[in-house]
Amino acid sequence: EAAVTQSPRNKVTVTGGNVTLSCRQTNSHNYMYWYRQDTGHGLRLIHYSYGAGNLQIGDVPDGYKATRTTQEDFFLLLELASPSQTSLYFCASSDLQGSSYEQYFGPGTRLTVL
Amino acid sequence: GDSVTQTEGPVTLSEGTSLTVNCSYETKQYPTLFWYVQYPGEGPQLLFKVPKANEKGSNRGFEATYNKEATSFHLQKASVQESDSAVYYCALSGYSNNRIFFGDGTQLVVKP
Repeated sequence: EAAVTQSPRNKVTVTGGNVTLSCRQTNSHNYMYWYRQDTGHGLRLIHYSYGAGNLQIGDVPDGYKATRTTQEDFFLLLELASPSQTSLYFCASSDLQGSSYEQYFGPGTRLTVL
Repeated sequence: GDSVTQTEGPVTLSEGTSLTVNCSYETKQYPTLFWYVQYPGEGPQLLFKVPKANEKGSNRGFEATYNKEATSFHLQKASVQESDSAVYYCALSGYSNNRIFFGDGTQLVVKP
């Protein structure tokens, strides 16, 4: 059974629309992350969290909000979606293992903003 | 800050040929180095990691040596298969980081 799940797997919205992407992890990890993946840019970190109610800013946060409601659940919110946010979004979870943070990824959500 | 630079793709090879994907990194910490692989339609998954300098990691026929002096972590495989077609990410994480810094990824296409 997958330890990091994302929903929906595909989403189409219009410019200015409201979108919420969901992520749930069953790894009992403290850290969760949201990335976007675009051709030529690899994985870019949007926001991350180390526990319920906590939020850390990533490298490309503009236009995105996020909320961590429980240890398991992390949401990414696009309140006024724009075509530039068309992308493949990945959620990941991690915790300190030895001396590093190894991340486990979900299957991704493909978002299209028309 | 921390960063990773790797071979720009796509890299196209014939089955049975050898692979090298170059990876270099910058950090002021003592990092753990990773190679992640992403198959079509899936999220990235860990291929292997190496926490200590001068040690080698390996999995599924792929290997890389953590070279602290050269700040490099090149991925190699002696004989690639069509099933190795994927995107490969080099990455690093330091003890004081709670995140991983990824390179831009290298797409590998293996033709039969």
